Amino acid sequence: DAGVIQSPRHEVTEMGQEVTLRCKPISGHNSLFWYRQTMMRGLELLIYFNNNVPIDDSGMPEDRFSAKMPNASFSTLKIQPSEPRDSAVYFCASSPEGGAGYEQYFGPGTRLTVT
Amino acid sequence: GEDVEQSLFLSVREGDSSVINCTYTDSSSTYLYWYKQEPGAGLQLLTYIFSNMDMKQDQRLTVLLNKKDKHLSLRIADTQTGDSAIYFCAEFEGAGNNRKLIWGLGTSLAVNP
Repeated sequence: DAGVIQSPRHEVTEMGQEVTLRCKPISGHNSLFWYRQTMMRGLELLIYFNNNVPIDDSGMPEDRFSAKMPNASFSTLKIQPSEPRDSAVYFCASSPEGGAGYEQYFGPGTRLTVT
Repeated sequence: GEDVEQSLFLSVREGDSSVINCTYTDSSSTYLYWYKQEPGAGLQLLTYIFSNMDMKQDQRLTVLLNKKDKHLSLRIADTQTGDSAIYFCAEFEGAGNNRKLIWGLGTSLAVNP
């Protein structure tokens, strides 16, 4: 398996622009997680899905952020409009149902820079 | 609420043992994890321990769990420069469809030759 796939790997955009981050989880995994990592705040859980249904979005910073999972093999995280404080590395992770300890498998991340 | 705490930095000499410590607050946690993050990469699961275990060993890695003190440690024997990374402790929370990991801030391990 190719692991969790994220695109793009790097994104540089100007303040006010819309940004869409994409994730393909590992086939057969039924949970998907979006995280944001910064030096100041560490690893923050933004939202997670189970069987394509959002379970907990309490970590989404504000209404500018939205996430969808239209099917079991694809999810997007959208920021509109983007702001410089959104600059971070965004990780997607997936987890198998009933896997040993429900461990999460991470993608390589998308480094977002908003100027 | 639940919280996971780790020291932020650790520096060791190559060949020495490294011990990274973590404390957690949720006494009902069933699984506890150690993840490794190398520069520019995502987090990689190193090992995990079930709450009914006191110790788990996997090659150079030894995990110790003290449930009474809610203390978890990761020992890396014969630390190599390739072990330089950030190590995250995490505890499992939830049940059924509502399950997630609570993460520490990570311990940055520097291995000096």
